[in-house]
Amino acid sequence: GAVVSQHPSWVICKSGTSVKIECRSLDFQATTMFWYRQFPKQSLMLMATSNEGSKATYEQGVEKDKFLINHASLTLSTLTVTSAHPEDSSFYICSARVIDSAGTGYEQYFGPGTRLTVT
Amino acid sequence: RKEVEQDPGPFNVPEGATVAFNCTYSNSASQSFFWYRQDCRKEPKLLMSVYSSGNEDGRFTAQLNRASQYISLLIRDSKLSDSATYLCVVRPPRSNTGKLIFGQGTTLQVKP
Repeated sequence: GAVVSQHPSWVICKSGTSVKIECRSLDFQATTMFWYRQFPKQSLMLMATSNEGSKATYEQGVEKDKFLINHASLTLSTLTVTSAHPEDSSFYICSARVIDSAGTGYEQYFGPGTRLTVT
Repeated sequence: RKEVEQDPGPFNVPEGATVAFNCTYSNSASQSFFWYRQDCRKEPKLLMSVYSSGNEDGRFTAQLNRASQYISLLIRDSKLSDSATYLCVVRPPRSNTGKLIFGQGTTLQVKP
């Protein structure tokens, strides 16, 4: 259980274009998903918390107008990188929140990531 | 100061060795602690949660020291397949969304 998929797994786009990344929970419903970005040899940095049916909560320093998040259903969240630039090239990973086995907290299950290269 | 700090390594050890990683966290009110494993160009996967009493899962032992605000991971009898980056992860206080904060990761290379 708790399988999360992402699409596409990699994408190359030209500077100035927009790219949409999908994150799906395959065998469960996820009211909350998270979007991370990871640059080479660095840690995962949380970009935003995506809440089904409401606006995403962005971390400090993340431009909400550049990184558009839509969580329109309980199994799908999308991240759109608008007007992408080479500095946006990174590994984008989503995760879905799942109640842990003890029922007292949450675990996160990660998607396989999307490698974005902007030329 | 970073919220979660780890020595990035790399740690190069021979097969069969015992290796330990430490991690420190800055917020003493942090709620939960985890070790994740990340292989090159892959997503992180939960290795184990870290409990106050310490916990063991096969060759892996995790310890938490709240007074000193550090977490450790011990790997015994290292295998080639243990080569990966190990991420120390902390859930901050008052995180009702389940938000996690990741350390930079410690890279382990197990050599034959």
